[in-house]
Amino acid sequence: EDQVTQSPEALRLQEGESSSLNCSYTVSGLRGLFWYRQDPGKGPEFLFTLYSAGEEKEKERLKATLTKKESFLHITAPKPEDSATYLCAVQGMGDYKLSFGAGTTVTVRA
Amino acid sequence: GAVVSQHPSWVICKSGTSVKIECRSLDFQATTMFWYRQFPKQSLMLMATSNEGSKATYEQGVEKDKFLINHASLTLSTLTVTSAHPEDSSFYICSASPGLATYEQYFGPGTRLTVT
Repeated sequence: EDQVTQSPEALRLQEGESSSLNCSYTVSGLRGLFWYRQDPGKGPEFLFTLYSAGEEKEKERLKATLTKKESFLHITAPKPEDSATYLCAVQGMGDYKLSFGAGTTVTVRA
Repeated sequence: GAVVSQHPSWVICKSGTSVKIECRSLDFQATTMFWYRQFPKQSLMLMATSNEGSKATYEQGVEKDKFLINHASLTLSTLTVTSAHPEDSSFYICSASPGLATYEQYFGPGTRLTVT
């Protein structure tokens, strides 16, 4: 069974204070690792897909990286509008289902 | 691009009644659609996977007779909660995948169901 563990559960940052979120996973054959952002009362918003170890993707202040066992989401110089819950999910080769981690709730104070 | 809508965004119903939630992919055709449930402060739990024109595949522990899923076209899937009870109150979110060429799932905004 695919497993995804995200840490920390919550992260409080000062505006401009860079940090990283961790997503550790076990899957029998990785098809893709996905990062989503979710605001309260909303559906998840797609951020990145990573397919192979060593791959990196960037979008504004966010950068996602992937190794064979974990992924990191780096937030550089965050702003209050980056406050959200960030979800990591994996998709195995067997099917198209996503297995989600519990998420990291990021709060950025001005 | 890759926009998914859900209707209604929230609904309140009485115990014993049925509620239908629609999920539409607005700018792409969705070979596969997924239905999730999310409780407060928890992550998304997959309920079922549906492919256009075929029966949905339900996850273990999900009652297929209570949660009826229909994927009648490449842009529309519906979830009907039958004989709803207060414990069915939750946030229901659908997602849609464009197909075999890309594996991303794009999520709708969610539907808040409250059963009184």
